[in-house]
Amino acid sequence: AQKVTQAQTEISVVEKEDVTLDCVYETRDTTYYLFWYKQPPSGELVFLIRRNSFDEQNEISGRYSWNFQKSTSSFNFTITASQVVDSAVYFCALSVRGQGAQKLVFGQGTRLTINP
Amino acid sequence: DGGITQSPKYLFRKEGQNVTLSCEQNLNHDAMYWYRQDPGQGLRLIYYSQIVNDFQKGDIAEGYSVSREKKESFPLTVTSAQKNPTAFYLCASRPSGTDEQYFGPGTRLTVT
Repeated sequence: AQKVTQAQTEISVVEKEDVTLDCVYETRDTTYYLFWYKQPPSGELVFLIRRNSFDEQNEISGRYSWNFQKSTSSFNFTITASQVVDSAVYFCALSVRGQGAQKLVFGQGTRLTINP
Repeated sequence: DGGITQSPKYLFRKEGQNVTLSCEQNLNHDAMYWYRQDPGQGLRLIYYSQIVNDFQKGDIAEGYSVSREKKESFPLTVTSAQKNPTAFYLCASRPSGTDEQYFGPGTRLTVT
């Protein structure tokens, strides 16, 4: 089965702390993509990153970094020096392809609250 | 400006009425999707369309219907058969050759 698990339902930290959001996935595909999306209070999902299953290099974008480990089927997201504007719900997703169609399977989301 | 628009942002209906949610994109994307989000939950796929005049059921299609007569438009009708229609509905589109989806601002539907 194709599945994404975000075990942390809610996380609350104080501003400037580092925080890591966990994502574990299950797939029978040998080639796949993983994603992180941010959902601020406005509701719209904002695309953050896409990771190909062949590329296990960590990626850094400003205060954001992603750690992809195929051996443990994990794709974790770290925010360094968190800010209040980082408060949002974050979703991890897995791309699933079959019968000529493409879909995303989402985790349940992690609600991150950054307190001033 | 290129993007995905959903209207209206808030929608109120009485139980037993059908209601249609609008989704329009001017990104020239072939594929479009409808998701439902309930409080504290992830996104669940309702329907999706890879090309014009073709669409497939997602995981929770019962009580919903769609059409895809134009590339730019993918309206979702919530019928009276949908038992719990109150939710936040998100539309997305995807360019050919990629796997990432881009989302509209969503419509919050309340049925009383």
